[in-house]
Amino acid sequence: DIVMTQSPDSLAVSLGERATINCKSSQSVLYSSNNKNYLAWYQQKPGQPPKLVINWASTRESGVPDRFSGSGSGTDFTLTISSLQAEDVAVYYCQQYYSIPTTFGGGTKVEIK
Amino acid sequence: EVQLVESGGGLVQPGGSLRLSCAASGFTFSSYAMGWVRQAPGKGLEWVSDITGSGGTTFHADSVKGRFTISRDNSKNTLYLQMSSLRAEDTAVYYCTYQKGGNPAAVDIWGQGTMVTVSS
Repeated sequence: DIVMTQSPDSLAVSLGERATINCKSSQSVLYSSNNKNYLAWYQQKPGQPPKLVINWASTRESGVPDRFSGSGSGTDFTLTISSLQAEDVAVYYCQQYYSIPTTFGGGTKVEIK
Repeated sequence: EVQLVESGGGLVQPGGSLRLSCAASGFTFSSYAMGWVRQAPGKGLEWVSDITGSGGTTFHADSVKGRFTISRDNSKNTLYLQMSSLRAEDTAVYYCTYQKGGNPAAVDIWGQGTMVTVSS
């Protein structure tokens, strides 16, 4: 199974400042035949189901604010919130869907400093 | 608009059984892969099971293999998870998931979840 490791476990960022979350996979999730990274990011607010925010490592979902961006390739990925807003307080998870079983990172809790 | 509504959760004793249902609407149900992901209280996300659009192929996590069975009724636009030999560690919110990309794929839409508590 591919192990997904997120860091940090939690971070506190001032409103308007940048938040950066890292995700590392135990093996590459880059599919060479189409040059796509099989990596997604989700946002989960308290009491709600997760919501897909980034697909294919860097494709923002429709309706997701452009302050959210995803980057990385192979085994190392980053979710960046360029200017943290109060509504961004949540736990963020990465997920690989390169192979079954699909696996999730442990989550990163983002709070306001 | 895609909607997923789970039902069937509740309190069950260790060793017992439960069947979860997920009623889907807003898309051509039989064309898309579906699945279940669970989240234990205060914990992260764990994939449980997936099924292809036709229902012909299923996948289960090792932690539930032989105890849980995913199925679907495309005539009723409904996904199921039959759970048996339940253990305390199966206690979680179970989310029904919709994946446009197949199996495996990113989860495009999540249901609101149904709570399963395994306790005596």
